Amino acid sequence: QVTLRESGPALVKPTQTLTLTCTFSGFSLSTTAMCVSWVRQPPGKALEWLGRIDWDGGKYYNTSLKTRLTISKDTSTNQVVLTMTNMDPVDTATYYCARKYGLRGFDYWGLGTLVTVSS
Amino acid sequence: DIQMTQSPSTLSASVGDRVTITCRASQSFDNWLAWYQQKPGKAPKLLIYRASSLANGVPSRFSGSGSGTEFTLTISTLQPDDFATYYCQQYYSHFPWTFGQGTKVEIK
Repeated sequence: QVTLRESGPALVKPTQTLTLTCTFSGFSLSTTAMCVSWVRQPPGKALEWLGRIDWDGGKYYNTSLKTRLTISKDTSTNQVVLTMTNMDPVDTATYYCARKYGLRGFDYWGLGTLVTVSS
Repeated sequence: DIQMTQSPSTLSASVGDRVTITCRASQSFDNWLAWYQQKPGKAPKLLIYRASSLANGVPSRFSGSGSGTEFTLTISTLQPDDFATYYCQQYYSHFPWTFGQGTKVEIK
C-alpha cells in the first residue's frame, strides 16, 4: 500500500526558511522511473508544481522558484525533503508531495499540509 | 516553460450532461498530459495519463483525447460525484512541469 505524508511547521515567519518532509511507504525511490514531486496550492487557487527528485537523483525545479528551492532524498529512511528560503506571505499554501511512476502522472498524493507565512 | 491554459474556467452543468474541458499548451510535447479531479479540502486524484489512458479505478465515463497542443477531458454522462475542479498537467521530462489554472464544474 502506497502512502505519502507531509510534515513540517504550520506557521513560519517572513524571510524564514521552510523545511517540509515527505515520508512515504509502499515503494522505493531507488526504483527506475520513480519520482517524488512537491506541489502547492494557495487557498482558493490553482495547483502549482514546485519540483521533483528522480530515482537517479536528478532534480528539477519550477523555473520561477528555483533559486529558493532545494529538494533532497534519503532513500534509507524513505523521505524527501523540500526547503524553501526567504518565505513570504504569498507562499501561504497547502503543500503536497506526490509520487509519479513510469508513464503515469501523480498517482498517489499525501494529504497535504497547510503552511501559513505570517509575522 | 510550457504554459497550460484551460477553458472554460467555470462550467455549469446538470446531472446527465456531456461535459468537455479543453487544455491548450504553449508548445507541443509528446502527449505527457494528465488530468486530475480535486474536491474541496482533498488532494487531487489522477484520472487520465498520457493524454488518453484511464487511471486505475476511474469510471469509464471519463475519457481524454488530443495531441500536440490541444487536449480535452470529456465526462460522457455527468454524475453527482463529478462536481469538482479539474486540472490538466504536462509532465514532459525535458521541461519544468506545469498545471493548468483549473476548471470548476458546478451544478446548473
